[in-house]
Amino acid sequence: GAVVSQHPSRVICKSGTSVKIECRSLDFQATTMFWYRQFPKQSLMLMATSNEGSKATYEQGVEKDKFLINHASLTLSTLTVTSAHPEDSSFYICSARDSRETANYGYTFGSGTRLTVV
Amino acid sequence: KQEVTQIPAALSVPEGENLVLNCSFTDSAIYNLQWFRQDPGKGLTSLLLIQSSQREQTSGRLNASLDKSSGRSTLYIAASQPGDSATYLCAVRRNSGYALNFGKGTSLLVTP
Repeated sequence: GAVVSQHPSRVICKSGTSVKIECRSLDFQATTMFWYRQFPKQSLMLMATSNEGSKATYEQGVEKDKFLINHASLTLSTLTVTSAHPEDSSFYICSARDSRETANYGYTFGSGTRLTVV
Repeated sequence: KQEVTQIPAALSVPEGENLVLNCSFTDSAIYNLQWFRQDPGKGLTSLLLIQSSQREQTSGRLNASLDKSSGRSTLYIAASQPGDSATYLCAVRRNSGYALNFGKGTSLLVTP
């Protein structure tokens, strides 16, 4: 089945530094990837939609300059949290849409990244 | 704007019970609906996907139904087991675009 690999699974960084999270589709091509953020006991909130070879589309209220998204290939999207602050601490999850999508394909999710900013 | 609501927020049942998780959505113009399972600190595992033209999907002890006109879906778990303990998320994909709207989930605990 479709597999999405997300790394790192956990990261602790100092306030003011930048952190990059990678999301790779291992056995399929993903023309579209999504980045979500999840707070404790809350649902997933869509941050941005990333399309291969074009600029990401950010949801209202998400700072583009703070959360940099790059989708340079059909199998890799990255999220960089720039100048991280403690309030950026959260669980970040990526999701990928198979470019061959048919009616039977749903979306595949990565295993998530727990970011802690100290 | 699509709003997805899941009831109950938490549920505790003894092993062996059958149970139903509920999901409702405000905009019936959906492409599909997907049920996921999330273990603590982990990503999402897809359980069932129902297209807008379908009424239900089954996988093992799981059965999901969809009533698009009333904006409702249910996830039925038969003969629950402690290993079923997790948070169950319902997500709706809109007709326009590809993004999913998630509910807040139902936290399920199955006790031995």
